[in-house]
Amino acid sequence: NAGVTQTPKFRILKIGQSMTLQCTQDMNHNYMYWYRQDPGMGLKLIYYSVGAGITDKGEVPNGYNVSRSTTEDFPLRLELAAPSQTSVYFCASSSPRRPGMNTEAFFGQGTRLTVV
Amino acid sequence: GDSVTQMEGPVTLSEEAFLTINCTYTATGYPSLFWYVQYPGEGLQLLLKATKADDKGSNKGFEATYRKETTSFHLEKGSVQVSDSAVYFCALISITGKLIFGQGTTLQVKP
Repeated sequence: NAGVTQTPKFRILKIGQSMTLQCTQDMNHNYMYWYRQDPGMGLKLIYYSVGAGITDKGEVPNGYNVSRSTTEDFPLRLELAAPSQTSVYFCASSSPRRPGMNTEAFFGQGTRLTVV
Repeated sequence: GDSVTQMEGPVTLSEEAFLTINCTYTATGYPSLFWYVQYPGEGLQLLLKATKADDKGSNKGFEATYRKETTSFHLEKGSVQVSDSAVYFCALISITGKLIFGQGTTLQVKP
């Protein structure tokens, strides 16, 4: 009963390096989301996806890329890491809105990223 | 576009005090509404939810009612405990599936 799994939990990057944050869910949810949470702040939507092959930008997409080749996986790519990307990243998934269906979003435990 | 606005914090209360955290939203149609809680150093947990107008969500003594006429979803608890100290987020899922959060309200409960 894994739910939403994010890897890694912690990572330190040097400026200019690239990395992929992994997110996978086993609930067959169509909708998936990536957020960042800066210290003492709320959650800002980076990208989201309403199904395999479909992605869309959120509030703060610059410096990030995503892909959704399967229902289960929604990786987030940082191409050229910058100190401004130091944050905690959360992945979430939910099921589509249909009468009687559970629409709540389930969250991963987060990835704490530091860019130095 | 769709948005969620919460009252600014921090909110500091004594144990057993009454809690209200205001939340209003702007959205097309009938979004689903949620309250999430985040304890220090942890991820987000669903606290309660409501999926249609006049629904009341409740959990662990917390309640919130979906008010379409005032576009509000205020969180209330009759008697807070020290263990309720956390950050509370109001959120909605729009009819297009986008999950949008308010800025969060920090609650500190003192013994």
